[in-house]
Amino acid sequence: LAKTTQPISMDSYEGQEVNITCSHNNIATNDYITWYQQFPSQGPRFIIQGYKTKVTNEVASLFIPADRKSSTLSLPRVSLSDTAVYYCLVARHSGGGADGLTFGKGTHLIIQP
Amino acid sequence: EPEVTQTPSHQVTQMGQEVILRCVPISNHLYFYWYRQILGQKVEFLVSFYNNEISEKSEIFDDQFSVERPDGSNFTLKIRSTKLEDSAMYFCASSEAGVRETQYFGPGTRLLVL
Repeated sequence: LAKTTQPISMDSYEGQEVNITCSHNNIATNDYITWYQQFPSQGPRFIIQGYKTKVTNEVASLFIPADRKSSTLSLPRVSLSDTAVYYCLVARHSGGGADGLTFGKGTHLIIQP
Repeated sequence: EPEVTQTPSHQVTQMGQEVILRCVPISNHLYFYWYRQILGQKVEFLVSFYNNEISEKSEIFDDQFSVERPDGSNFTLKIRSTKLEDSAMYFCASSEAGVRETQYFGPGTRLLVL
């Protein structure tokens, strides 16, 4: 499994765009990049997943450069409720079996008024 | 939107007792998982389950633990002879066939072993 590195914490303000970058230098060809969000005392929640270039959904955008050695989660116009821990995960995407996810320490994002 | 549910939300037990944590995965999902998170630490994978058998397990998942899908809807984690260090949040998750990275987590059961 590719090791991921992301900042331990980040601060921002309401209404700002927040970008959290994750490095995964040893990502393999079959690996996908997935981001989860976790609020205190709750289970992780899937945010977005991508393989290359850009993926956007109603919650966030994910930017992945051509070499795929890093990825950036972009949260537009954050609010106080976006304060959470954000995890970057790299996992193999193939049919069959059931692999467990490997969570790191994540990035603790704190949004201030 | 379909959700994974877990019961109980909180459980307090005495050291050495057995506990069973229950989960109802999303109905059309085929892959099931248990994770735990000790207070202030990372989410740790315990076990995955597919086609009525364990697919993968971590080093944490020793003989003290067992999983079962007793019927078409429930997925349980049994911890025999609980220890103080088993105190943690336990999360159940499920995923559709072939999309195993997109796991949907339940709200968790907070287990406290005294």
